[in-house]
Amino acid sequence: GESVGLHLPTLSVQEGDNSIINCAYSNSASDYFIWYKQESGKGPQFIIDIRSNMDKRQGQRVTVLLNKTVKHLSLQIAATQPGDSAVYFCAERGTGFQKLVFGTGTRLLVSP
Amino acid sequence: NAGVTQTPKFQVLKTGQSMTLQCAQDMNHNSMYWYRQDPGMGLRLIYYSASEGTTDKGEVPNGYNVSRLNKREFSLRLESAAPSQTSVYFCASSPTWEGYGYTFGSGTRLTVV
Repeated sequence: GESVGLHLPTLSVQEGDNSIINCAYSNSASDYFIWYKQESGKGPQFIIDIRSNMDKRQGQRVTVLLNKTVKHLSLQIAATQPGDSAVYFCAERGTGFQKLVFGTGTRLLVSP
Repeated sequence: NAGVTQTPKFQVLKTGQSMTLQCAQDMNHNSMYWYRQDPGMGLRLIYYSASEGTTDKGEVPNGYNVSRLNKREFSLRLESAAPSQTSVYFCASSPTWEGYGYTFGSGTRLTVV
């Protein structure tokens, strides 16, 4: 079946550093990927997405990279701020009835 | 513009009690979903409604029922709560049943004792 996972459960960085959060996916047929941010006590919030016909997409301070060869997705956050502290997880749009499959999440801790 | 609104935010139930979690969206979305989120696990789909008038089981439907009351509202019912249903429940909606444009509510933290 489809599965989405993350390599690092917790990432601690200093304010101003660049952060990289990784995600591995297993379904080579997945055609769309999303990164979500979830702050404590809140619901997941869309950050950025990428379609499988792209390998890079940039937003405001965030970049998503997609490597289909190794089925790997990463989220890069530039100049990380304390407000970026949250759990980040990826999701893939697969081929089953469950259109989106969600990963378990990485907690990002940003120290001032 | 409220997006997706869930009530209540917190609830404690005794084993065997029943309750209904409410969800409403004001974005005119066709599809709605109920997920549960447990520590160390990704969001798991309980039930979904691809469009008004239809509901289907997701990955973990046992112990739950749903009602798509109208296009805006999608409720989740626990008929006889069990400790294994202690979780955070999220409602979400999307324009269509295609995996794009999900908006999540802020969640309901449910504890069953």
